[in-house]
Amino acid sequence: GDSVTQMEGPVTLSEEAFLTINCTYTATGYPSLFWYVQYPGEGLQLLLKATKADDKGSNKGFEATYRKETTSFHLEKGSVQVSDSAVYFCALRDRSNFNKFYFGSGTKLNVKP
Amino acid sequence: NAGVTQTPKFQVLKTGQSMTLQCAQDMNHEYMSWYRQDPGMGLRLIHYSVGAGITDQGEVPNGYNVSRSTTEDFPLRLLSAAPSQTSVYFCASSYPRAAYNEQFFGPGTRLTVL
Repeated sequence: GDSVTQMEGPVTLSEEAFLTINCTYTATGYPSLFWYVQYPGEGLQLLLKATKADDKGSNKGFEATYRKETTSFHLEKGSVQVSDSAVYFCALRDRSNFNKFYFGSGTKLNVKP
Repeated sequence: NAGVTQTPKFQVLKTGQSMTLQCAQDMNHEYMSWYRQDPGMGLRLIHYSVGAGITDQGEVPNGYNVSRSTTEDFPLRLLSAAPSQTSVYFCASSYPRAAYNEQFFGPGTRLTVL
């Protein structure tokens, strides 16, 4: 079946450090991939997405590239800010079954000034 | 657009009580779903619906009931609350028939069962 695996957190970085959060997936079909962000006390918000191989999603300085050969969708940001402190979820939606979204367990990011 | 709205934001129940968590969306999305979020567990799908009158079970449906009489509303009913149902509940909606469509989430309902 489909699944998403994320690196475990928490991840603690200093402001302006480089961020990578690893995400790999297993899918029976050809999925679309998503990164969501959840700020404290709030619901999930879409951060970026990619719908086919080699697509790069980007938003607010975050980027992720859809790598079909390695079944990965790692999230990166060149210089994190304190305001990026949140929980990040990787997710997929499979073309073979539109009715299910699969989420990773989430990675908490703490950015220190 | 208000997006996805949920009420109440917070609720405390005693074991055995019943209640309904409300969810509404104004984006004309056919697909709606309910998740629960527990510490260290990520999101787990409770029930989902692909349109009015059509619902199906997710990963953790026991103890919960849903119905979908309109496109806009998708309430979640707790039949007899148990402490194990203490969690944060999120409702989400999406266009259904394309994998590239993301889900839009509500702000959540934080439920405590004593």
